[in-house]
Amino acid sequence: QKEVEQNSGPLSVPEGAIASLNCTYSDRGSQSFFWYRQYSGKSPELIMSIYSNGDKEDGRFTAQLNKASQYVSLLIRDSQPSDSATYLCAVRREGRRALTFGSGTRLQVQP
Amino acid sequence: GAVVSQHPSWVICKSGTSVKIECRSLDFQATTMFWYRQFPKQSLMLMATSNEGSKATYEQGVEKDKFLINHASLTLSTLTVTSAHPEDSSFYICSVGIPLNTEAFFGQGTRLTVV
Repeated sequence: QKEVEQNSGPLSVPEGAIASLNCTYSDRGSQSFFWYRQYSGKSPELIMSIYSNGDKEDGRFTAQLNKASQYVSLLIRDSQPSDSATYLCAVRREGRRALTFGSGTRLQVQP
Repeated sequence: GAVVSQHPSWVICKSGTSVKIECRSLDFQATTMFWYRQFPKQSLMLMATSNEGSKATYEQGVEKDKFLINHASLTLSTLTVTSAHPEDSSFYICSVGIPLNTEAFFGQGTRLTVV
């Protein structure tokens, strides 16, 4: 079992729709959770971080965390073609400072 | 957040040669930096943790004699790929280690192509 699992996609949504990206993790000791966006050939850029159960909203983005289910998600409202990228879920496990990444979900927003 | 500068952004080298990649923390004194590697269509995999003033900690399966890491100051860590082979061609990315429960920030990445 992978430590952080994501559906590789591609997830295709029309412009203006809500894109829902999901991630599960195996280590119950995980404390910090991150969503990164990565364009092809570029380094990841931080979209959202979340540390406690519930929802966290920032503009068009909402991160949701459920530690009991070991599940974290990212919702993108009013999706734009510029949101087309690979979204990486990352987890920081207890006692480690480095991040463990999922394999990423490729999102395609159709104009 | 921390500003991390990585250089070069891309490099092409011949098999058997060595390549040095620099990672600089521009606005944060980083006692710890991380080096990741990303093969095409795969995720980032941690290679090693770079510790200022001491030896790096390598992940299982990463050859420490091949991937030399030096972290001589609080703002600079270098990764040297020695005797490079085509299978070392990858995207190498560094990040700055900052206190727990805060985000990790990445350099721009270095695309290494070994021919």
